[in-house]
Amino acid sequence: NAGVTQTPKFRVLKTGQSMTLLCAQDMNHEYMYWYRQDPGMGLRLIHYSVGEGTTAKGEVPDGYNVSRLKKQNFLLGLESAAPSQTSVYFCASSPLTGANYEQYFGPGTRLTVT
Amino acid sequence: EDQVTQSPEALRLQEGESSSLNCSYTVSGLRGLFWYRQDPGKGPEFLFTLYSAGEEKEKERLKATLTKKESFLHITAPKPEDSATYLCAVQAGGDTGRRALTFGSGTRLQVQP
Repeated sequence: NAGVTQTPKFRVLKTGQSMTLLCAQDMNHEYMYWYRQDPGMGLRLIHYSVGEGTTAKGEVPDGYNVSRLKKQNFLLGLESAAPSQTSVYFCASSPLTGANYEQYFGPGTRLTVT
Repeated sequence: EDQVTQSPEALRLQEGESSSLNCSYTVSGLRGLFWYRQDPGKGPEFLFTLYSAGEEKEKERLKATLTKKESFLHITAPKPEDSATYLCAVQAGGDTGRRALTFGSGTRLQVQP
């Protein structure tokens, strides 16, 4: 049981380049989230999904797109990277049912845009 | 707008020196307050969920408490391996669709031997 995994772990992009970050979870969770973490700030929600085939915007969605074609995978895309997108990106998942709505996080992807 | 403020930003303790971390929050109807631990270069690791004022939860040297305006994470006789950043987050009761978390910026704890 690997939990939540993310690939790649590190990436350096030039301004204007594109890339996709992959998140996979093996806990059969319905909810999946993408956050970014910047120094001195809390994690901020970019996009989220409440189930396969559904996505929605979070607090800071501009410049990002997402897709959830399979329940276990949640992809985050940057179409034209900007230096302001330099950050650490975390994926998380959460079950649909149950009293506890805690989210389980992946190890993160450190992205640098030059 | 939901808001979470953690203090202090950083805390240095000697091994065995107990202390508390604070998390103040404003939220439109609290569904849950969450504590996470984050080690350098890793993702947040879930510690506790608290749901209502007066609730307490314990795990080894950590004890989390909750009031209507704040939560405390008490660390008793800490060890160097407790060194990490501790994150607090809230989930609004009305946010049944997203179940999103609003995070504080964390407290960096360093425990020296």
